[in-house]
Order: sequence, then structure tokens, then C-alpha cells
Amino acid sequence: EAGVTQSPTHLIKTRGQQATLRCSPISGHTSVYWYQQALGLGLQFLLWYDEGEERNRGNFPPRFSGRQFPNYSSELNVNALELEDSALYLCASSLRDRGSSEAFFGQGTRLTVV
Amino acid sequence: DAKTTQPTSMDCAEGRAANLPCNHSTISGNEYVYWYRQIHSQGPQYIIHGLKNNETNEMASLIITEDRKSSTLILPHATLRDTAVYYCIVNLGSARQLTFGSGTQLTVLP
Repeated sequence: EAGVTQSPTHLIKTRGQQATLRCSPISGHTSVYWYQQALGLGLQFLLWYDEGEERNRGNFPPRFSGRQFPNYSSELNVNALELEDSALYLCASSLRDRGSSEAFFGQGTRLTVV
Repeated sequence: DAKTTQPTSMDCAEGRAANLPCNHSTISGNEYVYWYRQIHSQGPQYIIHGLKNNETNEMASLIITEDRKSSTLILPHATLRDTAVYYCIVNLGSARQLTFGSGTQLTVLP
């Protein structure tokens, strides 16, 4: 069974440009989470989507946005890129049920803003 | 979500058991204890989780104290490939996103 896949693996953008990152969840998973991990820092929660809706948002400016498609895949868009946006962006997926489903992570997209 | 406290770093000899502690004294009755690990620059890997009872899988064992205020992740026979940052997370389950702290850097020594 395929795991969570993210594309592209690496992305280099210029300050002020827009970046689009993509995530395909594990088959059957309806929840998708996005995290940012800047170099040497911890994982910061960005966004949570489930059943096509944004369920929660971390402490990030509005230029970080995303969406979830009917097939549960997701995009993260970062507008007006700043140098500080350079980071590893991680996507995770899980089942959303009443229990304790674990989340599985992809290998991330390394975004470099120059 | 309840906060967790973990040691910043730990060393373990290869082949020995690695015991990683975690304090979560403010955990509520319906919160689970999850463990993940992250090997340098890779996506975090799920290890194990539990609510009240001790749990074991092919990777590790999770021991939760009776009062649920602390837990220990046990890697029974640590290998060099187990060198990673280990995160203990308390969460309501799949209804919320995971909140990562600083974790414990485990270094397995040859």
C-alpha cells in the first residue's frame, strides 16, 4: 500500500513568488495535515483538512492557504514568499474517526526561497 | 492538549534496551499517548500509541503508569538506525492535529 506522497521533493523559488505543494494521502484517509519545519526547529502545525473542509489552522499568516480535493488530496499554497518560509513542509494523513487513528507522514517538500 | 516533558537527549548502547521517559501530568481521561520519531530531515514515523493499558508492537513497547501521568517508550534492542528525535505527544486522537514538542534526541552508540 502506498504511503503519503508529496511533490515536488525540492522546490526553489524567489522571494515574492508563489509556491504550490501537493500531497496525496493514504488510500481511505480523509484527513490531511500540513506542518512546517524550519531548519533546526520543531514541527509547527499549519493546516488541517478533512472531507474537503478546513478544520483547524495554526498560527500562520493568511498567505499560507490550501485546499482539499474530492479525492482527499491536498495543496498547500504559499503566496508572497519570504526568505523565512524556507523549510521542510510535511504532510500527514489519517482516518478521522472517534478513535485513536495514527497519522502517517510523507517525506516532505524542501522549499528554498532565495 | 496536555503538555509533555521529555529529556533533551539520551544515549544508548547498541543492542541494549532504550527507555525513553515522558511526563504528562495534566493528561485528561480521553487523551491518548502517541510516540513518533524523526530521523534527520525525514518525515516523522509513527511508533505506537495507547490510552491506559501497556501496548506492544513490532517496533516498541509503551508502558503507561496507572495514574497516566507518565509513560516510557521501550526499544528492546536498539540499533544504530534507531538514532532519531523521539516525540511523546498527548492527543485526543484523530479529532485533533498532533502538537509536537522538542522531543528527545536518542543517540545509539556502537
